[in-house]
Amino acid sequence: AQTVTQSQPEMSVQEAETVTLSCTYDTSENNYYLFWYKQPPSRQMILVIRQEAYKQQNATENRFSVNFQKAAKSFSLKISDSQLGDTAMYFCAFMISNSGYALNFGKGTSLLVTP
Amino acid sequence: DAGVTQSPTHLIKTRGQQVTLRCSPISGHKSVSWYQQVLGQGPQFIFQYYEKEERGRGNFPDRFSARQFPNYSSELNVNALLLGDSALYLCASSLLTGLTGGIGETQYFGPGTRLLVL
Repeated sequence: AQTVTQSQPEMSVQEAETVTLSCTYDTSENNYYLFWYKQPPSRQMILVIRQEAYKQQNATENRFSVNFQKAAKSFSLKISDSQLGDTAMYFCAFMISNSGYALNFGKGTSLLVTP
Repeated sequence: DAGVTQSPTHLIKTRGQQVTLRCSPISGHKSVSWYQQVLGQGPQFIFQYYEKEERGRGNFPDRFSARQFPNYSSELNVNALLLGDSALYLCASSLLTGLTGGIGETQYFGPGTRLLVL
């Protein structure tokens, strides 16, 4: 079974600070992709960042970066210079070739950015 | 450009009834996926369709069915509704550029349909 674990149900960070959200996953596959999605309150899910498992270089998108540790099956998200608009549920997900191209999601981490 | 659209936004049904949810993908996207998101949980994969063919199915009962139309829009049908079917139903579209494609193809989500079963 393919599983995604987000061990932090809730987190809080002050504006302009840095926060790291953790994610671990379990799969026996070697070819897969990893994603972080953001779901703001009452708004739709949007992609934050994606990582190809075959690439060693960690993906970055502006203030968002990942720490991908393939051997440890860990895929954490770092948000730098946090902004109030970053307040949202953050979901870690992965996709493998024989899953019907389905995204497997974790349970999410609720991030609150405070002034 | 318009994103993924879903209708209706909210729906209230009673146990045993049937419901149809609709999704229009981003223009040019040929694949549509459906997910169920129960309150407090991450989305769970239900179906994926590409070029009107089912390409993947999650662990959901046969009460759940879907189809994709020639214009790539899609419908999700749920029969004999149960209280546990109350959830946010998300539709996502992706480009899927080829028969062996799909891996890593980013899925773009719609706003969802919130279904309440009483």
